[in-house]
Amino acid sequence: DIQMTQSPSSLSASVGDRVTITCRASQGINNYLAWFQQKPGKAPKSLIYAASNLQSGVPSKFSGSGSGTDFTLTISSLQPEDFATYYCQQYNSYPFTFGPGTTVDIK
Amino acid sequence: QVQLVQSGAEVKKPGASVKVSCKASGYSFTSYGISWVRQAPGQGLEWMGWISAHNGNTKYAQKLQGRVTITTETSTSTAYMEVRNLRSDDTAVYYCARDWVGDYWGQGTLVIVSS
Repeated sequence: DIQMTQSPSSLSASVGDRVTITCRASQGINNYLAWFQQKPGKAPKSLIYAASNLQSGVPSKFSGSGSGTDFTLTISSLQPEDFATYYCQQYNSYPFTFGPGTTVDIK
Repeated sequence: QVQLVQSGAEVKKPGASVKVSCKASGYSFTSYGISWVRQAPGQGLEWMGWISAHNGNTKYAQKLQGRVTITTETSTSTAYMEVRNLRSDDTAVYYCARDWVGDYWGQGTLVIVSS
């Protein structure tokens, strides 16, 4: 199985900060990587697919990059509604696997 | 608009089975697959499996193989996920999501396994 890791596991940031989360796959996954945002008690929300493609309706402050094994999610200017947990997921090969998550909270 | 609406919460005893439904609307059901993901209390997301709504092909996480069955009923645009021989560590919120990239998600179904 492909193992997904994320760093950092948590971070504290201020409104307006630029935030970058890293996701690494244990083997190459081409660009078959998705990013999700989850708030407490809510279902995950899809942000990005195919490493860098924004889902419809997702604001452009979110961006994704990377290919192969190393990927990043960037939030250009953190807003109060962005404090949440972020997960990456590979869908290159079964079983699809998620990273452990990165919690972004208020500094 | 695309919606996935799941069945309600369940409380089950160890050894029992549970079947969660996921009714899709707002798109052509057979044009996409359905993924199932679960989340134990305070934990991360765990991919459970996927089904093609077009031809019924399925893929499962190895650790759940043999205890989980995912099916679809195209006449009602509904997907189902059944877990048998429930254990306490199956206590979780179970989600359905559209296709591989999960562009739309159900609201989640809490399954509690307790004696």
